[in-house]
Amino acid sequence: DIVLTQSPGTLSLSPGERATLSCRASQSVRSSYLAWYQQRPGQAPRLLIYGTSSRAIGIPDRFSGRGSGTDFTLTISRLEPEDFAVYYCQHYGDSLYTFAQGTKLEI
Amino acid sequence: QVQLQESGPGLVKPSETLSLTCTVSGGSISSYYWSWIRQPPGKGLEWIGYIYSIGITNYNPSLKSRVSMSIDTSKNQFSLKLSSVTAADTAVYYCARGGGAAVEFDYWGQGTLVAVSS
Repeated sequence: DIVLTQSPGTLSLSPGERATLSCRASQSVRSSYLAWYQQRPGQAPRLLIYGTSSRAIGIPDRFSGRGSGTDFTLTISRLEPEDFAVYYCQHYGDSLYTFAQGTKLEI
Repeated sequence: QVQLQESGPGLVKPSETLSLTCTVSGGSISSYYWSWIRQPPGKGLEWIGYIYSIGITNYNPSLKSRVSMSIDTSKNQFSLKLSSVTAADTAVYYCARGGGAAVEFDYWGQGTLVAVSS
């Protein structure tokens, strides 16, 4: 099974700064099968990015995704106060949907 | 706007069966895949399985022996049963749209906490 690993575990930044979150797969994955979610405390996850780089409906353009093979990145260009949350990457493969352990973005 | 709402007991005894229902509103349950995903307190997300509107299912191998899902298109609802629960099954359970050919989960319920305790 493919294992996804996110880094860093915690990222401390300030509003207005740029955030770069990494998701690494244990083997090469299809770009169309890689998604990112945001989870605020006490809320359900929210789909941000699908197919590596496509923004979901209603997601601001400060969120962007890129990558291929085993290395994928979520970038938030200018952090807003509401962006401080936990972020998960997710992959589909071999009839299994897996999530990484998450990156906590904190002020 | 599609909305999902989980319902079911918040407390289940060890060795018993956890049963949850997800009601979909704002859209039809037909022609989509629907999943259950759980999150133990303070931990990450685990996909449990999906059901397609015609009843096709696919379960996470780690839970397959204890999971069953069903769907009622007339009520726009789908359900989860997890048998022989232990404390390790304590989690927030989410229903979501996605699975199958839709590899991402685009709509989620708010989640419901199910505790396993005697």
